[in-house]
Amino acid sequence: GIQVEQSPPDLILQEGANSTLRCNFSDSVNNLQWFHQNPWGQLINLFYIPSGTKQNGRLSATTVATERYSLLYISSSQTTDSGVYFCAALGTSYGKLTFGQGTILTVHP
Amino acid sequence: DSGVTQTPKHLITATGQRVTLRCSPRSGDLSVYWYQQSLDQGLQFLIQYYNGEERAKGNILERFSAQQFPDLHSELNLSSLELGDSALYFCASSVGVWGNGVDEQFFGPGTRLTVL
Repeated sequence: GIQVEQSPPDLILQEGANSTLRCNFSDSVNNLQWFHQNPWGQLINLFYIPSGTKQNGRLSATTVATERYSLLYISSSQTTDSGVYFCAALGTSYGKLTFGQGTILTVHP
Repeated sequence: DSGVTQTPKHLITATGQRVTLRCSPRSGDLSVYWYQQSLDQGLQFLIQYYNGEERAKGNILERFSAQQFPDLHSELNLSSLELGDSALYFCASSVGVWGNGVDEQFFGPGTRLTVL
């Protein structure tokens, strides 16, 4: 099955800083999603982005499907951005979103 | 709020017991997925149902079973529980199963299972 790798594993920022999270996947994807898991454990959808670029407020994401990677950009980070960011990919297997190990983001005031 | 509901939020039980986790998908979604999140295994896909039928199976133990009912809600049954089954269990739903956005999955708040 598809392999998903995220980097960096941990990221510590001061409030107001910008960051880039990376997701590499091993095969063609039909679905690529980014999630934020907040400290209460809830998985929040950020982007559905199998290809191209999308923006939502301070967050944006780009997936280059031909090169098998996706990037999540966080600008002007806030303490509420803290948590774990997951990338998940759906390859050729129905239904099975394969998750990366996540990037733990900590934003200090 | 994703629109996916899960009950109960927390469950504490003993080894050897059986529990049932319940999930109601978003209105209009036909596909339901179950995932397990544990510290050592990360987020793992368990099983998928589409309109009442099983469509895909992942790393689901034989002690676990699931079904999707005619009203599209789903239940995950965990039996002969072991300490290692302690985890956060997520349900997700999507409109369909393949492509053009219909396979975007939305996750419920999860059920935190503790086996003592």
